[in-house]
Amino acid sequence: KAGVTQTPRYLIKTRGQQVTLSCSPISGHRSVSWYQQTPGQGLQFLFEYFSETQRNKGNFPGRFSGRQFSNSRSEMNVSTLELGDSALYLCASSVGLREHEQYFGPGTRLTVT
Amino acid sequence: KQEVTQIPAALSVPEGENLVLNCSFTDSAIYNLQWFRQDPGKGLTSLLLIQSSQREQTSGRLNASLDKSSGRSTLYIAASQPGDSATYLCAVKGAGGTSYGKLTFGQGTILTVHP
Repeated sequence: KAGVTQTPRYLIKTRGQQVTLSCSPISGHRSVSWYQQTPGQGLQFLFEYFSETQRNKGNFPGRFSGRQFSNSRSEMNVSTLELGDSALYLCASSVGLREHEQYFGPGTRLTVT
Repeated sequence: KQEVTQIPAALSVPEGENLVLNCSFTDSAIYNLQWFRQDPGKGLTSLLLIQSSQREQTSGRLNASLDKSSGRSTLYIAASQPGDSATYLCAVKGAGGTSYGKLTFGQGTILTVHP
C-alpha cells in the first residue's frame, strides 16, 4: 500500500506571495492533518480534516487555510507569506479521528525569501 | 494546555548498548501516545502506538511503556545499532480541553549510535 505523498517536496517563494501544498493520504484513510516543523518551535498542529470538514484547528493565523476533497486528498494554502513561514510542512493521514495511528508523509520544505 | 517534554535532548552511545528515552506529559487526558523516528530532512516514521488503556507495546528491538496517571512514557531500544541514529519524537493525542484531537509533540531526543 502506498504511503502518504506530498507535493511539491521543495518550494522557494518570495515574501508576500501565496503557496498551495498538496497531500494524498494512504488509500482508505479519511483523516488528514497538517503540521509545521521549525527548529525553534518544533512540530505544531495546524488543522485536521475528516470527510471534507475541518474538525480541529491549531493556533495559527488566518493566512493558513486548508481544504479536503471527496477523495480525501487535502491542500493547504498560505497567503501573504512571511519569512517566518519557512518550515517543513508535514501531512499525516489516519483511518479516522481520535485514537487512530497517524502516518506521516515526507513533507514539503518551504523557503520564503 | 498539554506540554510534552523529552529527556535527554541528545544521547550518544556505542553500538550494542541498551538505552532508554524518556517522555513526560502534563495532561493525562489522552487517547494515545505515539513514538516516531525522524531522519534529517525527512518525514516522521511511526514506531509504536500505545492506546491510553494499554501499558506497553513492543516491536522488534523496541519497547514502549505508558503510565498515564503519572504522565510518563519510556522507549527502550535494545542492542542499539548505527542505523538507529535519528531524532526520536514522542507525541500525545489529546482527549480533552484545548488539546482535544491534536497531536502534541515533544522537542525530541537526538540519538547517535557510533560503531
